[in-house]
Amino acid sequence: EDQVTQSPEALRLQEGESSSLNCSYTVSGLRGLFWYRQDPGKGPEFLFTLYSAGEEKEKERLKATLTKKESFLHITAPKPEDSATYLCAVNNFNKFYFGSGTKLNVKP
Amino acid sequence: DTEVTQTPKHLVMGMTNKKSLKCEQHMGHRAMYWYKQKAKKPPELMFVYSYEKLSINESVPSRFSPECPNSSLLNLHLHALQPEDSALYLCASSQVGDPYGYTFGSGTRLTVV
Repeated sequence: EDQVTQSPEALRLQEGESSSLNCSYTVSGLRGLFWYRQDPGKGPEFLFTLYSAGEEKEKERLKATLTKKESFLHITAPKPEDSATYLCAVNNFNKFYFGSGTKLNVKP
Repeated sequence: DTEVTQTPKHLVMGMTNKKSLKCEQHMGHRAMYWYKQKAKKPPELMFVYSYEKLSINESVPSRFSPECPNSSLLNLHLHALQPEDSALYLCASSQVGDPYGYTFGSGTRLTVV
């Protein structure tokens, strides 16, 4: 069964405390893995696309990596404005499978 | 223009009302999607349009009726909804059959009373 699992469900960090979010997947015919950020009541905002194992992408304090079974979103020295829900999704042809998300709360 | 615009942003409707949600994009994307998102849950796919034709209907109740009048517009017609249909309704677009990520709109917050 095609599935995307994110952990942890929620993460509370102090400002400057680095950590990682995990996305594991079992999807046949993977065509891409995507990370989105979603603020409450808003649509998901695209962050990264990863296509093959070993690939890495960076944007400001965020770095996404991909292996054959999972992806990590590393957050370095987070700030309160990084607080949001981070969604992982995998693409199988014309369908996306979303994980349940990790709710990140960064305290000043 | 790299946006997907959804209107209205908020909608309150009674169970006997008929209303419509609208979605518009001008990025030349030929795949458009409706998702439903309940609080603290991931988006759930409802419908997919490819080249203005309905290609996927995820067993959505008939009280939700999608329409794609042209390559830039996507509507979701609502009739006789139930309170449990209250949710954030998201529209997205992408290239057809392309592994690029979607571009999402900001959503319509629907409350059924």
